[in-house]
Amino acid sequence: NAGVMQNPRHLVRRRGQEARLRCSPMKGHSHVYWYRQLPEEGLKFMVYLQKENIIDESGMPKERFSAEFPKEGPSILRIQQVVRGDSAAYFCASSPTPGFYGYTFGSGTRLTVV
Amino acid sequence: AQTVTQSQPEMSVQEAETVTLSCTYDTSENNYYLFWYKQPPSRQMILVIRQEAYKQQNATENRFSVNFQKAAKSFSLKISDSQLGDTAMYFCAFMSQDSGTYKYIFGTGTRLKVLA
Repeated sequence: NAGVMQNPRHLVRRRGQEARLRCSPMKGHSHVYWYRQLPEEGLKFMVYLQKENIIDESGMPKERFSAEFPKEGPSILRIQQVVRGDSAAYFCASSPTPGFYGYTFGSGTRLTVV
Repeated sequence: AQTVTQSQPEMSVQEAETVTLSCTYDTSENNYYLFWYKQPPSRQMILVIRQEAYKQQNATENRFSVNFQKAAKSFSLKISDSQLGDTAMYFCAFMSQDSGTYKYIFGTGTRLKVLA
């Protein structure tokens, strides 16, 4: 089992471009979470998805950010018209069922906006 | 809203010694879970230890143990026989059982350096 795979590991975008971050959860995991980590800070919750459904997006900025987890394929976090403040590490975590047993995290995508 | 506070931005410990990392949290809920995660320079978040709030017994995992004080809302991590590989950022995290979404609320982390 390859674990939670995130790609790309590093992504550089110019201001105004779109960023697409991909997350392939572990096999058998249908719950996916996205977190954002700003420099020298802890991870902040963004969105929780199950297959084809957004369960909780209370941590997502209202504009420019969207997430999906289709029936087939990876979960995608999409940031449109990126700004310098979007520069951060974005982590995906997955679980077969949510709760006490915690989640398996990917290694993150570091987004740099220039 | 729940909050998690880690008041020690940085700590260091000699190899083979013991170190304790502090974590306090604030919640009005009774059913929740607490976690410690380690983030080495590779950036991947690794689960170190977890605790169910309804259990009075402190969790232990090999060299890692917690001191869970529910009334004081304190959840400290003790690392015994520190090893160079323990050098990392350590994050305390709270997870509500009542909310239904089981999302983490993380503290700001403690950077631990183990000295040879």
